[in-house]
Amino acid sequence: KAGVTQTPRYLIKTRGQQVTLSCSPISGHRSVSWYQQTPGQGLQFLFEYFSETQRNKGNFPGRFSGRQFSNSRSEMNVSTLELGDSALYLCASSLVRQGGNTEAFFGQGTRLTVV
Amino acid sequence: QQQVKQSPQSLIVQKGGISIINCAYENTAFDYFPWYQQFPGKGPALLIAIRPDVSEKKEGRFTISFNKSAKQFSLHIMDSQPGDSATYFCAASKGSGAGSYQLTFGKGTKLSVIP
Repeated sequence: KAGVTQTPRYLIKTRGQQVTLSCSPISGHRSVSWYQQTPGQGLQFLFEYFSETQRNKGNFPGRFSGRQFSNSRSEMNVSTLELGDSALYLCASSLVRQGGNTEAFFGQGTRLTVV
Repeated sequence: QQQVKQSPQSLIVQKGGISIINCAYENTAFDYFPWYQQFPGKGPALLIAIRPDVSEKKEGRFTISFNKSAKQFSLHIMDSQPGDSATYFCAASKGSGAGSYQLTFGKGTKLSVIP
């Protein structure tokens, strides 16, 4: 069974540019979450999508946005990049189990460097 | 506000020894507590998880101990091996099984197992 696939693995962008990251969840998983990982702040929740709807959003500025398609694939976009946006962006795919535990499986991440 | 506090930040253990990582949480609405293992260049991988109605869960060399009244939980790695050297994250979520799914992570513990 294929895992969570994130593309690209590495990106270098210039301040002020925008970037789009992609995530393909595990087949059958309809929930996709995004996290930002930095050495200083650790893993922080960005947002979660389920059936093309954003259900929850973390404490990030509006420059961070996302969407989910009908096939559950998701993209996140960061506009007007800042140096502080340099991070590992992780996508997590979850199978929502009614009355049970929802387990999140992470991709390998996209390493974004803003110069 | 850090809702999940993890300690220690780093840990060095002899091969064959016991590694212990502790976490404390504040939000009593949390009802699912997973641990993740992350190797350099990889995304976090689900290791073991527990719900608050259970005081202990064991899977192979990995054991979670949970103290609901103290709002604390810990990961014990028995017979630690060099291959266990990685960063470990505790996490917590609420309302798993329905609704929005969001993980709140501790800051991580870098474990080094020396031969």
